[in-house]
Amino acid sequence: AQSVAQPEDQVNVAEGNPLTVKCTYSVSGNPYLFWYVQYPNRGLQFLLKYITGDNLVKGSYGFEAEFNKSQTSFHLKKPSALVSDSALYFCAVRDRRDSGGYNKLIFGAGTRLAVHP
Amino acid sequence: DAGITQSPRHKVTETGTPVTLRCHQTENHRYMYWYRQDPGHGLRLIHYSYGVKDTDKGEVSDGYSVSRSKTEDFLLTLESATSSQTSVYFCAISNDKNTGELFFGEGSRLTVL
Repeated sequence: AQSVAQPEDQVNVAEGNPLTVKCTYSVSGNPYLFWYVQYPNRGLQFLLKYITGDNLVKGSYGFEAEFNKSQTSFHLKKPSALVSDSALYFCAVRDRRDSGGYNKLIFGAGTRLAVHP
Repeated sequence: DAGITQSPRHKVTETGTPVTLRCHQTENHRYMYWYRQDPGHGLRLIHYSYGVKDTDKGEVSDGYSVSRSKTEDFLLTLESATSSQTSVYFCAISNDKNTGELFFGEGSRLTVL
């Protein structure tokens, strides 16, 4: 079965410092991986995805994520955090071998990022 | 922002009553999804649709039914609401069944007393 783990409920970072939000996954085959962000009282917004190719994926708002197959991880990173990055972040996965998957994503529980001035 | 409208945005109801949530899209995307969001669980898929009148169950479908009579509308029905169905419900759409990202609506907060 597919699953996603986000081991940290909350991450606290000072503005200007680098940030990392962790994600590990479990699928039978090779994964498609996604990061989404949710601001208060809003729906989720797509940040970036890994489909194939370069293990370092760049996305919206200066975020990037590194796919590590040996560690089954897809951590979200940003070199310099902004207060406006404070939000709830979700990692999601689907198994590439699931050809009838209809893009059904499995989401992690979410990590709340708090960036302090 | 993708053209997705959910209604109602907030609803309070009593146990045992039927509830219908509506998702309307103006993007002409083929695939539509209903998720529920609960603390500690992230988002869990309830039902999804891969075309008009084509729907299937997700991981938490018990107690829910859906219908899609038009491309633009996807309805989620709770036949007899229970307190365990108190949640925030999100509709999402996609135009790619394999690798495309999902676009989400603003959510519908349902409270079942």
